[in-house]
Amino acid sequence: AQSVAQPEDQVNVAEGNPLTVKCTYSVSGNPYLFWYVQYPNRGLQFLLKYITGDNLVKGSYGFEAEFNKSQTSFHLKKPSALVSDSALYFCAVRDGGSQGNLIFGKGTKLSVKP
Amino acid sequence: ETGVTQTPRHLVMGMTNKKSLKCEQHLGHNAMYWYKQSAKKPLELMFVYNFKEQTENNSVPSRFSPECPNSSHLFLHLHTLQPEDSALYLCASSQDSGGADEQYFGPGTRLTVT
Repeated sequence: AQSVAQPEDQVNVAEGNPLTVKCTYSVSGNPYLFWYVQYPNRGLQFLLKYITGDNLVKGSYGFEAEFNKSQTSFHLKKPSALVSDSALYFCAVRDGGSQGNLIFGKGTKLSVKP
Repeated sequence: ETGVTQTPRHLVMGMTNKKSLKCEQHLGHNAMYWYKQSAKKPLELMFVYNFKEQTENNSVPSRFSPECPNSSHLFLHLHTLQPEDSALYLCASSQDSGGADEQYFGPGTRLTVT
């Protein structure tokens, strides 16, 4: 069975500092990994994905994520946080071998203070 | 905007009412999804349609009835709902229902059952 975990309910960062939002996963085959962001009263917006190839994936709004197979992690990062990055972030995984459904984590609330 | 629209954005209904949620995607995708997002819970997949055929019913109560007349439109018919059905209902679409395709979400319908 596939699963995804976001161990932090909330991450607080000062504007200008680097940010990391953590995600770990469990699948039996090769993982397809995704990050989404949700602003208040909006749907989820796709940020980036890892399917294969380079472990460092770059996405929208200056975000990037690093796939680490040995640690089964796919942490979201940004070198310099903005107040406007404050939102709810979701990690999601699909088992590339079984073609199962996309499974979402419970979300991490990112708060960036000026 | 993501190319996925949902109407209405807000809906208040009594437990004996019948209402419908509408979703339309302008992306030329073949797969469409309904999700339920409740506070403090992970995103719950409800239904999946691929090329107008339902491919997933995630043990959803029969008081929720989906309809997909074509690949661009998806409806969720609601009747005799319970207060615990109050949530944000999100529609999404993707090129196909399997593989590495990311999903694009609408803004959601905030449903309150009184």
